Amino acid sequence: GAGVSQSPSNKVTEKGKDVELRCDPISGHTALYWYRQSLGQGLEFLIYFQGNSAPDKSGLPSDRFSAERTGGSVSTLTIQRTQQEDSAVYLCASSSGWGSPLHFGNGTRLTVT
Amino acid sequence: GQQVMQIPQYQHVQEGEDFTTYCNSSTTLSNIQWYKQRPGGHPVFLIQLVKSGEVKKQKRLTFQFGEAKKNSSLHITATQTTDVGTYFCAGREYGNKLVFGAGTILRVKS
Repeated sequence: GAGVSQSPSNKVTEKGKDVELRCDPISGHTALYWYRQSLGQGLEFLIYFQGNSAPDKSGLPSDRFSAERTGGSVSTLTIQRTQQEDSAVYLCASSSGWGSPLHFGNGTRLTVT
Repeated sequence: GQQVMQIPQYQHVQEGEDFTTYCNSSTTLSNIQWYKQRPGGHPVFLIQLVKSGEVKKQKRLTFQFGEAKKNSSLHITATQTTDVGTYFCAGREYGNKLVFGAGTILRVKS
């Protein structure tokens, strides 16, 4: 497919469990972003990968959150010891470079019970 | 750090009325982008503004970038029910990440 793919689309987990969210960006896109959106709210920046540069992790809310991007392509966002306040839609976006539009995936809706 | 404020949070208009949302950055931006998110969907890119004082139009939508490159606006003329959604601005400092405003939710009464 030509778009950004995220999996799973929905994830329900128990408080305290770890979760992994996956993002497949558009092929050739060098920039990849993770955002978090709570119900009816704006987009909260989490982390930004640009090419081979060190990622900008300034938006990660706690050390329970981490992300990696392997081979400059697929990215995984990991949340350890999930809490109820982690419940949100996690959106991934990629772009072809600095100044280019972001293409968003459909998101992963995470529910922590 | 960089902050992008957007107002109003919410606007409910009668079909045919105009609508405007405003975006202000705490720092000078290299460019600003606008996105629309339909209910239940993901943000979709509308336009990018780069030059100081730039004005761009897309049919009934008019986008402006301030002279100081710290503010921007989106104006919709004669709203239609298809305009319903949340409109986000997103600003980028030079060489930096894209930061989104909180968005303006637009509802249109027919």
